[in-house]
Amino acid sequence: GAGVSQTPSNKVTEKGKYVELRCDPISGHTALYWYRQSLGQGPEFLIYFQGTGAADDSGLPNDRFFAVRPEGSVSTLKIQRTERGDSAVYLCASSPNRRTSGRGNEQFFGPGTRLTVL
Amino acid sequence: LAKTTQPISMDSYEGQEVNITCSHNNIATNDYITWYQQFPSQGPRFIIQGYKTKVTNEVASLFIPADRKSSTLSLPRVSLSDTAVYYCLVGPDTGRRALTFGSGTRLQVQP
Repeated sequence: GAGVSQTPSNKVTEKGKYVELRCDPISGHTALYWYRQSLGQGPEFLIYFQGTGAADDSGLPNDRFFAVRPEGSVSTLKIQRTERGDSAVYLCASSPNRRTSGRGNEQFFGPGTRLTVL
Repeated sequence: LAKTTQPISMDSYEGQEVNITCSHNNIATNDYITWYQQFPSQGPRFIIQGYKTKVTNEVASLFIPADRKSSTLSLPRVSLSDTAVYYCLVGPDTGRRALTFGSGTRLQVQP
């Protein structure tokens, strides 16, 4: 079946602009996560949705970052007044409500959106 | 959260067995050990998860000693396509929570 998809795959913007990154999770997955990955580093958690609500947004670096998931499926990560330091790969992941034994910490990741802020 | 330490990089040759060890001295009683694999330009992919002793699946084996302060991911007979970054994660098996990744181990498999 289809995996997690993210659009666009690449986004180049100028400092100060607004960007939106989209994530389509695996159908039926109730949990959705956003991570950010800088070159040479592991993914860094940003926010986690359970259904439509943000269950944990402790990883959002500041109030320029915001994410929504209005219908409990597709999610959009929004970044206002982008800065060069926001350049990274933004990863989305989803996981099902019912866990598979022995795979409780399995999240299904998309390919990411590479954001470059000039 | 328990901190993990793993080698920055490892080299191997095709057909060899590769063992990547992760240290997690402060692992909590309810923590599990999970390994992910990441290829360039892709998101991480779950490999294996365990709590104690040994877990094996079609991809890898995970060895966890009795004190659980370390774990070893074993990849049998690696191929060039196993070249990737491998992450060791430690945390509860609550299913839906933020994952904490370190910097991982970059495995390079050569012909």
